[in-house]
This record gives sequence, structure tokens and C-alpha cells, in this order.
Amino acid sequence: EPEVTQTPSHQVTQMGQEVILRCVPISNHLYFYWYRQILGQKVEFLVSFYNNEISEKSEIFDDQFSVERPDGSNFTLKIRSTKLEDSAMYFCASSEGQGSLETQYFGPGTRLLVL
Amino acid sequence: AQSVTQLGSHVSVSEGALVLLRCNYSSSVPPYLFWYVQYPNQGLQLLLKYTSAATLVKGINGFEAEFKKSETSFHLTKPSAHMSDAAEYFCAVMTQGAQKLVFGQGTRLTINP
Repeated sequence: EPEVTQTPSHQVTQMGQEVILRCVPISNHLYFYWYRQILGQKVEFLVSFYNNEISEKSEIFDDQFSVERPDGSNFTLKIRSTKLEDSAMYFCASSEGQGSLETQYFGPGTRLLVL
Repeated sequence: AQSVTQLGSHVSVSEGALVLLRCNYSSSVPPYLFWYVQYPNQGLQLLLKYTSAATLVKGINGFEAEFKKSETSFHLTKPSAHMSDAAEYFCAVMTQGAQKLVFGQGTRLTINP
């Protein structure tokens, strides 16, 4: 069964460093998403992406964050200058279409620790 | 704005017992509701979803949930728990036309032998 994959599974970085989290969505999916979960808190939406553009973003997704689909298979989340509060589990998701009737398929997550 | 509240961050039941995981939502417009499950070291997997058809929704692995508008609830149940049901369960809401899921805080289900 096709699945969303994410690399790395764990990442430790120093505050102020740039990190890139990578995701390979399901191959025929057109909509891509990033969510994050700070330890002990809810899973929160960060951004959705379609047709090489951001289609929706939350207030968390500020100028320190960017997303890109650099080739036909990868979808990346970049954090330019990490802060302690960026420590979280980051989930990538993809869906074939948009909206409530379309299931979002999630990857296993990348656990980011900022020291 | 939409929100979801899951009552109980941890639920423990005996194998063979009824599983009941509670979810209440807040939404100003008719919601679409979802339950996802996360097994250790895996992604969030869709268990079931309510999208304004039948109010009783059946999902995978014997789980079902009932949408009750009057109670603003979407509780997840399973008649008889298996050891393999041990996981974290997330309730989520989305409004029509939206792209993002709004999640509850999750409930960790433990099954006792």
C-alpha cells in the first residue's frame, strides 16, 4: 500500500541553525501538508501546498518557515533559523484532492529537537 | 473557529472490554469529523470519517463512531478491545471547503491483558 515517508526520523540541531525536513508524498497525490505536534500539545496545521504554491498557512508559519517541491517526488519544510520552541514532531501529509471528502495520508513524522 | 476536545489523555481497558474514546467538537458550521490512529513509530492512519451522510460511521478494525449534533459529540467505540488496539487516537474536525484538519490533543489507549 502506498505511504507517505519522511526523513530523517529524528533530528537534533543547535538554535539558530537551518533544518530541512523531507517528505515523499504518495505519488499520485496533488495536495501536500505539514503539521506539527509540540510535546504534550495538539497536532497543529502549518501549511498546505498545491500546484507549487502555498494554498493556506497558519499564523505559526511565519517567515522562518518555507516549503518547496524541488522535484517530482520530494516535499520539504525548511526552518531558516531554529528556535527552542520549534522542537516538535513534524508530520507531512498528502491527499489526492482537496477538502473534507479527501483523506489526508500522514507520514510517520520527524522528531526535531532544538538545543 | 473550530475546536476539538478529547476527554481523557489516557484510557485503559481490559482485553475484551468495551472501548469508548470521547470527542466533542465546536464548529459554527456543519463539521466533518475524523478519527485517526497512530501506532508506535508510524504515521496517523484514518480510522473513519463523518461527512454528513449516515450519523453512525463504521471504520477499520471494528471501530465505529456516532455523530450526535445535539451533543456536539463524535465518540469512538469498539465492542471488544484487542491488544493490537493499543495506540494513540486523535479526533479531528474540518469544515466544508477547508484544507486543514483541526485536531484534539489525543487519547492514549492501553489494553490490559
